[in-house]
Amino acid sequence: AQSVTQLGSHVSVSEGALVLLRCNYSSSVPPYLFWYVQYPNQGLQLLLKYTSAATLVKGINDFEAEFKKSETSFHLTKPSAHMSDAAEYFCAVNQDTGRRALTFGSGTRLQVQP
Amino acid sequence: NAGVTQTPKFQVLKTGQSMTLQCAQDMNHNSMYWYRQDPGMGLRLIYYSASEGTTDKGEVPNGYNVSRLNKREFSLRLESAAPSQTSVYFCASSEAEGGVGGYNEQFFGPGTRLTVL
Repeated sequence: AQSVTQLGSHVSVSEGALVLLRCNYSSSVPPYLFWYVQYPNQGLQLLLKYTSAATLVKGINDFEAEFKKSETSFHLTKPSAHMSDAAEYFCAVNQDTGRRALTFGSGTRLQVQP
Repeated sequence: NAGVTQTPKFQVLKTGQSMTLQCAQDMNHNSMYWYRQDPGMGLRLIYYSASEGTTDKGEVPNGYNVSRLNKREFSLRLESAAPSQTSVYFCASSEAEGGVGGYNEQFFGPGTRLTVL
């Protein structure tokens, strides 16, 4: 079974500062990896996805993530935080290609201070 | 395109009552899913339906039943609600892409916030 670990349930940054949200996965086969964002009282929205085409993946709203096989990591970054980035972020891995279900991490709540 | 829709948005039940959460998608996706979201636990899969006419248990199926009514609709039923089922419920749908296995971008509905007293 595959799993995802998100380090840090809460991250706080200042507006304009670098955002770094950490995600490590375990998988015995090459994974498909995703970052989703959830704004307050809303559903989940896909930020970006890794599907083995390129290790550096660019998503919406200037977010990007780098797949590092040697570190089994898929950390999410954004060069300059904006107040509107305050949300909860979830890393997810394709649990089983036959079943096509996702396994989610426990989430990281990002707070952006003015 | 409405995407994935869920009804109701909010519900309060008493212990032992039953209810059905409705979900529909208009993207012609084959696969549909029900998750529950609890603080600090991310989303956990309750049931899924790989295609019309099939359903399978996920990680936390106890206390729930599902029906894949047709390709568009996938409902979740609580026969006898318990306080432990207080949660936010999300429905999602997907279509695999990328060849064998492919990858699984899922599209989520807005959620149903359920409280069981």
